[in-house]
Amino acid sequence: DTGVSQNPRHKITKRGQNVTFRCDPISEHNRLYWYRQTLGQGPEFLTYFQNEAQLEKSRLLSDRFSAERPKGSFSTLEIQRTEQGDSAMYLCASSFSTGAFYGYTFGSGTRLTVV
Amino acid sequence: GNSVTQMEGPVTLSEEAFLTINCTYTATGYPSLFWYVQYPGEGLQLLLKATKADDKGSNKGFEATYRKETTSFHLEKGSVQVSDSAVYFCALTYGGSQGNLIFGKGTKLSVKP
Repeated sequence: DTGVSQNPRHKITKRGQNVTFRCDPISEHNRLYWYRQTLGQGPEFLTYFQNEAQLEKSRLLSDRFSAERPKGSFSTLEIQRTEQGDSAMYLCASSFSTGAFYGYTFGSGTRLTVV
Repeated sequence: GNSVTQMEGPVTLSEEAFLTINCTYTATGYPSLFWYVQYPGEGLQLLLKATKADDKGSNKGFEATYRKETTSFHLEKGSVQVSDSAVYFCALTYGGSQGNLIFGKGTKLSVKP
């Protein structure tokens, strides 16, 4: 198993464009989380899935953000009409549902720069 | 609400020095507590954890003890190495959170040879 994989590693986009990121979790894990990390801050929770069901969304996740996990495997996070304030590292993590309280495995992240 | 406060960085130490990074928390119920580490250019890695009061988490020479009476989970290492240079994050998850983590702001550690 190669761990949690995120693509792309870096994305530079112009303000107003749409972007999509992909996360491939550890295959046996049924929970998948998205976090956002800005410079000098700790990661902040955005949303999570158990299998294909999106069970919780943070108030940080505005209407321009949407996440999917169509078959309970990989997930995508789309940001529409990007703004400069969306520039951040977007982190994905996965776990077993019973293991969520014991820590989970993070990917290396996708760094988004909106110019 | 639930939150994590860690000491401000950066922290600069000489090799073989003793390390303490303070972490205190506010949480409802009985949270699980974690330290994550982020090496330059890499993703977050779980360093150690403790799931109940008085538990001690340990890994790679690092230790932290879950102190309910002081709501603290301070990270310690007796002798740091240059390879320990990284950003360290204290985090918690609590019963109603479905496992979602709340992180502190992180403390950058630089160890000089």
